[in-house]
Parts: sequence; C-alpha cells; structure tokens
Amino acid sequence: AQSVAQPEDQVNVAEGNPLTVKCTYSVSGNPYLFWYVQYPNRGLQFLLKYITGDNLVKGSYGFEAEFNKSQTSFHLKKPSALVSDSALYFCAVRDDTGGFKTIFGAGTRLFVKA
Amino acid sequence: DAGVIQSPRHEVTEMGQEVTLRCKLISGHNSLFWYRQTMMRGLELLIYFNNNVPIDDSGMPEDRFSAKMPNASFSTLKIQPSEPRDSAVYFCASRQGPNQETQYFGPGTRLLVL
Repeated sequence: AQSVAQPEDQVNVAEGNPLTVKCTYSVSGNPYLFWYVQYPNRGLQFLLKYITGDNLVKGSYGFEAEFNKSQTSFHLKKPSALVSDSALYFCAVRDDTGGFKTIFGAGTRLFVKA
Repeated sequence: DAGVIQSPRHEVTEMGQEVTLRCKLISGHNSLFWYRQTMMRGLELLIYFNNNVPIDDSGMPEDRFSAKMPNASFSTLKIQPSEPRDSAVYFCASRQGPNQETQYFGPGTRLLVL
C-alpha cells in the first residue's frame, strides 16, 4: 500500500535562511512524487514532481526537491526563504504500477518570519 | 485557461438540507477527483472519475454522499441530508488523463452545516 509521511506539522524559518520540509514515502513500485502548496483560502497548487531521471528536481518559486531512493525521501528545499513562502505544503505519492490514486501527506505548515 | 471552477465558493446550510457542489474541469481533462479537507483528517479522496465513469468511490463517507459526471466537463457532489460533521472544504481536481501525473485543483467550496 502507498503511504506518505510528513513528520513535521510546522516548520519555522527566518527570511533569507534555507528551508527544508521533510517527506518520506512507501510504494509498491517506482514512485511518482509531488509537492503541492496551499495558500489560505485557495486550492492546492502544483510545485514540482519527480517521475524519473535526475534526483534533484527544480520547481516553481525557486523550490527544489531531492529524491533519495535509499532513504525513501523527497524533501522540499529552498536556499533562501521568503515571507511569501508561508503556506501549507503537501507531499504526495503515486506508484507506477498503473494505480490512479495519488496519496497526500497530512501537510506541513511553513512559517517564514521577517 | 480559467482553471478548475467550483461553485459555490461558500455554502452555509442547516442540518438535513440537501447540498450540491459543482465543478467544471479544465478543457481537455478527462480525470476528475473530489476531495474533502478538514483539520482533523486532512485531505481525503472521496471519488475518482475517468472519462465520466466512477472508478473508485471507496472514499465516499456514506450513502448520503453521491457524485455524478453527466458530461466530460462537469461534475456534481451531492450531500442529502447534510449533517454538521460534513462541514469541510471540498475540492475538485482534474487531470489530463489517467496516465498524466499532475492534478489541478479548484479553489474549493467551504461548507458549513449548522
């Protein structure tokens, strides 16, 4: 069965500092991995995805994520946080065995302080 | 493209009343997902359609919930009768096809059942 874990409910970081939002996953086949962001009163927006290829994936708004197969992780990173990055971040996983269902993590709330 | 459109954006109703939520897919997309988001349970997949056909409705909480896709671009989620515990934000998301990875979310309908 597929599952995804976001171990931190909340991450606090100062503006200008690097940020990391953690995600680990479990799938039967090869993983398709995603990060989505949700701003207040809005739907989820796609940030980036890993399907195959380079383990470092670059996405929108300067975010990137690193796929680590041995650690079954897909942590979201940004070198320099902005106050406007404050939002709820969801990691999601789907496997490549033909299943349609994408499983979302519980979400991590990111607070960036000025 | 206008993106996924949901209506209404907010709905306040009394227990026992029927509630109908509406979703218009992005043109050319043929996979549709209905999700429910609450603080307690996070983001839950309710039902998934592909080419207007319900593929998996195992997430639908109970018989009070029903979803239809009368044509390729439109879906409804109905709750009858509604209960206070149905209060949540309901999102629909569309995808270009079953083998495409990225889902595009609507802005959500915030439902409050009194």
